[in-house]
Amino acid sequence: GQQVQQSPASLVLQEGENAELQCNFSTSLNSMQWFYQRPGGSLVSLFYNPSGTKQSGRLTSTTVIKERRSSLHISSSQTTDSGTYLCAWRGSALGRLHFGAGTQLIVIP
Amino acid sequence: GGIITQTPKFLIGQEGQKLTLKCQQNFNHDTMYWYRQDSGKGLRLIYYSITENDLQKGDLSEGYDASREKKSSFSLTVTSAQKNEMAVFLCASSSGDTQYFGPGTRLLVL
Repeated sequence: GQQVQQSPASLVLQEGENAELQCNFSTSLNSMQWFYQRPGGSLVSLFYNPSGTKQSGRLTSTTVIKERRSSLHISSSQTTDSGTYLCAWRGSALGRLHFGAGTQLIVIP
Repeated sequence: GGIITQTPKFLIGQEGQKLTLKCQQNFNHDTMYWYRQDSGKGLRLIYYSITENDLQKGDLSEGYDASREKKSSFSLTVTSAQKNEMAVFLCASSSGDTQYFGPGTRLLVL
């Protein structure tokens, strides 16, 4: 069965609004990573965040391993934030990455 | 820094055709990956390689072959393209926890 649930599947925001994206895992995880994909573009790593909270500019990632969840918070969204956000996780230190289906974000001016 | 290049950028094939996609990285990373991304879905792992001449099957290896003849390059072959198939193939490399991705090859089968 599906081991990671990303929500919401899609989200439309007015510029300036905040967004909260979630990943929930049905199995134990060793580490996880957030990626951003511009429409038609490649993936760019946003955070490698095995646990705790990390911030980079307007983006904040929080991972709670024992609760098997991770979130990505985008504050004061901009139109350039539009794209797909994917979470990926590892079940063990040397395991491979497993990807969620992604959240498609559209920010309108 | 480094870069991952994928060729071709776009690939149009015919049903039943054998198609090869290429990936090069200059990070000097040990591990390389091939993923398939279908519209609105996450990435599914086709093959990966932890070193030169090593090949490991992913979740979606059936219908594909791969080759890692050099540390810097990893190629993927669609053994028999399926009619109306449309997907993006992404190559990645890693040395440690973070994966770095190439720009992708967009495949359309007529």
